[in-house]
Amino acid sequence: EVQLVDSGGGLVQPGGSLRLSCAASGFDFNNYDMNWVRQTPGKGLEWISYINHISSAIEYADSVKGRFIISRDNARNSLYLQMNNLRDDDAGVYYCARGIPPAPMSTVGSLFDYWGQGTLVTVSS
Amino acid sequence: DIQMTQSPSSLSASVGDRVTITCRASQRITNFVHWFQQKPGTAPKLLIYADSNLQTGVPSRFSGSGSGTDFTLTISSLQPEDFATYFCQQSYITPWTFGRGTKVEIK
Repeated sequence: EVQLVDSGGGLVQPGGSLRLSCAASGFDFNNYDMNWVRQTPGKGLEWISYINHISSAIEYADSVKGRFIISRDNARNSLYLQMNNLRDDDAGVYYCARGIPPAPMSTVGSLFDYWGQGTLVTVSS
Repeated sequence: DIQMTQSPSSLSASVGDRVTITCRASQRITNFVHWFQQKPGTAPKLLIYADSNLQTGVPSRFSGSGSGTDFTLTISSLQPEDFATYFCQQSYITPWTFGRGTKVEIK
């Protein structure tokens, strides 16, 4: 059974940092692209970052570019999101999501077929 | 960025009703649209991918259609477990974007 477990959320002051983790099991993590998606009161569901299965391709939404860093450790079946310089509007629930190509001709894992349970990030002084 | 405009934002329906939710993209996205269901306190769940393909395990009362810029999610006969919020999402080009959701409530 595919399972993604998000962790690392919590309360942080504006300007602070937090590192989220996603532990994967039940599938061959090495062969799958991964994503982070967040849900905030202001923007609803928002894709924020993508990493391919071998970490050779990485993408960010403009809202987090330069502040967040996605990474993965295939030996540990884990995905990470280092979040720096956090702002009030970064507060919300953060989900990791497995990405698969949405069509036979696609190669990018942009279809989110399995999601973690989410971890809550609160930004407040 | 591609904007995904969902309508309605909410609706009230009864068990057995046929429900239709629409999503309009701000530019053509071929068939790279997907639909998710979310219940309170849980993660979104994939229902339909690439416009009209039913995800494994999803009941056949759910269907998707459309092309270009206009897409539709249909629930042919609403069941008690279908009361939830539904989102569309495009994966045609980054940033991949979601609609704001349609909340389906009990009439």
